[in-house]
Amino acid sequence: DIQLTQSPSFLSASVGDRVNITCRASQGISPYLAWYQQKPGKAPDLLIYAASILQSGVPSRFSGSGSGAEFTLTISSLEPEDFATYYCQHLNGYVRAFGPGTKVDIK
Amino acid sequence: QVQLMQSGSESKKPGASVMVSCRASGYSITSHAIIWVRQAPGQRPEWMGWINTNSGSPTYAQGFTGRFVFSLDTSVRTAYLHISNLKADDTAVYYCARAGIAVLGKGVSDYWGQGTLVTVSA
Repeated sequence: DIQLTQSPSFLSASVGDRVNITCRASQGISPYLAWYQQKPGKAPDLLIYAASILQSGVPSRFSGSGSGAEFTLTISSLEPEDFATYYCQHLNGYVRAFGPGTKVDIK
Repeated sequence: QVQLMQSGSESKKPGASVMVSCRASGYSITSHAIIWVRQAPGQRPEWMGWINTNSGSPTYAQGFTGRFVFSLDTSVRTAYLHISNLKADDTAVYYCARAGIAVLGKGVSDYWGQGTLVTVSA
């Protein structure tokens, strides 16, 4: 099965900061990578799919990049509502696993 | 608008069974597969599998075979997750999601239900 790792696992940042979160797969998975945002007690929200396509209605400060086995989610300027946990998910193969998550907290 | 409405929280004893429902509105349930995801407290989501809403054929991820059954009743636009012989480790929030976006044939979950907490405790 394809394994995903994310870094960092925890990130402390301020409103207005630029944030990068990396997701690495145990093998190449392009373009089968999605990013989700999850807030406490809520279901995950789709942000990015196919590694770089912004889901409809998601603010343009979110962007995705990468190929092969390494991908990045970038938030260009953090807003208060962006403090949450972010997960990557691969869509390749039989088990479509999620990464361990990156919690973005307020500095 | 597209909505997936799940049934309420359940509290069960080990060995019991539970049924979680997921009612679709705002679109035709037969248009997109339904995916099931489990999230234990403080853990990452786990992809359990999906059900083809045209054929009713389920696909289960490793670790979710045997005690877990996906089913469908298109007449009431509802998908179901049935878990038998519940164990304490099954305590989690269970989500249904619509595989509404296709990436080269692979479904991406674009709309999610609100989640159903299943607690298993003696």
